[in-house]
Amino acid sequence: QVQLVESGGGLVKPGGSLRLSCAASGFTFSDYYMSWIRQAPGKGLEWVSYISSSGSTIYYADSVKGRFTISRDNAKNSLYLQMNSLRAEDTAVYYCARTTVTRHLDYWGQGTLVTVSS
Amino acid sequence: SYVLTQPPSVSVAPGKTARITCGGNNIGSKSVHWYQQKPGQAPVLVIYYDSDRPSGIPERFSGSNSGNTATLTISRVEAGDEADYYCQVWDSSSDLVVFGGGTKLTVL
Repeated sequence: QVQLVESGGGLVKPGGSLRLSCAASGFTFSDYYMSWIRQAPGKGLEWVSYISSSGSTIYYADSVKGRFTISRDNAKNSLYLQMNSLRAEDTAVYYCARTTVTRHLDYWGQGTLVTVSS
Repeated sequence: SYVLTQPPSVSVAPGKTARITCGGNNIGSKSVHWYQQKPGQAPVLVIYYDSDRPSGIPERFSGSNSGNTATLTISRVEAGDEADYYCQVWDSSSDLVVFGGGTKLTVL
C-alpha cells in the first residue's frame, strides 16, 4: 500500500532554515510527480511546490519562490523541501503528496508541523 | 492567477443531499478534483477528473463540472461525512496547482 511519511518539522526562529523529508513506499517512486502542500493553523490548503518524476520540472507558489527548494532522490524513494529565510507566516503543517501527471494528489502523508517563532 | 471560490459552509440534515460548489472562470474547461479533510487528519481524494471516484469512496459521492461552476454532490448524507471539502485544479497556463478556500460541511 502507498505510504508517505514526512519528517523534519519543528520549531525554528524567523530567518532560520529547515529541511523536510518525505519517505515513500508501496509504489514506484520514480514514476510519479510529487508535491508539498501546507496548511496554516485553522486555515485552508495551500499548494507549495511540485517536482516531476525525473526532477527536471519544478514549480513553486509565489509565496515561497526564492526561499524554498524542492528536490528528490529516486534511489532513496525520498522527497525533500529545503526551507530558508523562514517567516512566521510559514507556520503550518506540511504534507507531501503523490501527484499525477494531471496534478491531482492521490495519496497524502500525515504531515509534519513547522512552527516559525522567536 | 486562477482563483477558485467555495462557500465557507454548507449545512444538511442526515439522509439529505449536500451540494458544494466551486466557482472559477471557465472552470468547465479544466479537470476538477475534490478532497475531504476531517479534523486532525490528512486530506483524502474523493473525486478526480470532475466525476471519477477513487476505489473505496462510496457511490454517494459524485461530481460535475460545467461553465463556471463545479459541484461536489453527497447523497444520503451521514454524520461521518462532516468534514472540510476542498476543490483543486491545475492551471496549465501557469503550471500551478490551485485550491479553493474550502467548505465546512455540517451535518445537522
